[in-house]
Amino acid sequence: DTEVTQTPKHLVMGMTNKKSLKCEQHMGHRAMYWYKQKAKKPPELMFVYSYEKLSINESVPSRFSPECPNSSLLNLHLHALQPEDSALYLCASSQVGQGRHEQYFGPGTRLTVT
Amino acid sequence: GENVEQHPSTLSVQEGDSAVIKCTYSDSASNYFPWYKQELGKRPQLIIDIRSNVGEKKDQRIAVTLNKTAKHFSLHITETQPEDSAVYFCAASTGAGSYQLTFGKGTKLSVIP
Repeated sequence: DTEVTQTPKHLVMGMTNKKSLKCEQHMGHRAMYWYKQKAKKPPELMFVYSYEKLSINESVPSRFSPECPNSSLLNLHLHALQPEDSALYLCASSQVGQGRHEQYFGPGTRLTVT
Repeated sequence: GENVEQHPSTLSVQEGDSAVIKCTYSDSASNYFPWYKQELGKRPQLIIDIRSNVGEKKDQRIAVTLNKTAKHFSLHITETQPEDSAVYFCAASTGAGSYQLTFGKGTKLSVIP
């Protein structure tokens, strides 16, 4: 299995809502990533988990809260978002170790904040 | 930190012609250079990558070249087909820690039938 899956595909939420994005991989990868992608822009790194521990937080606002319950799952909890947070949220995973850099992306969740 | 410049931002070619996209990077410690293809509404898909101990890598119609001295790398697509139309992103990584990728801004390739 070489796929990263994400749910939901689309999400519309109000600024006072709480929602969660989910990501799953069964490739045995021990690094998992959250990216945000705006239209016509490259993916922008938000968080990196390595061996289920948060290793990188790219100064992301606290209204985004990541969680890695186990080596296969990654969640992104959303609360009190702003309209400018509307974007495609991509999850990715990779091996950890010398020469094992390939990152594989999930299909993304298209988030609209109203 | 690393900075990756990508050119051109848009590229139109006739079907069957070749396409070349170029990237430069700033951090001499970078040692891994992937290329991603992203079709409209789809995920970025890893299409080819190269590590700093190799100068060129080919996979059917696509190839990547790396010049470590000049700190630039290029994607070459030969015999282009309409299904090659997409946005292509180059990226660079030092491989340290959790393999943080720095992306270029992307090239929108249009292959005209």
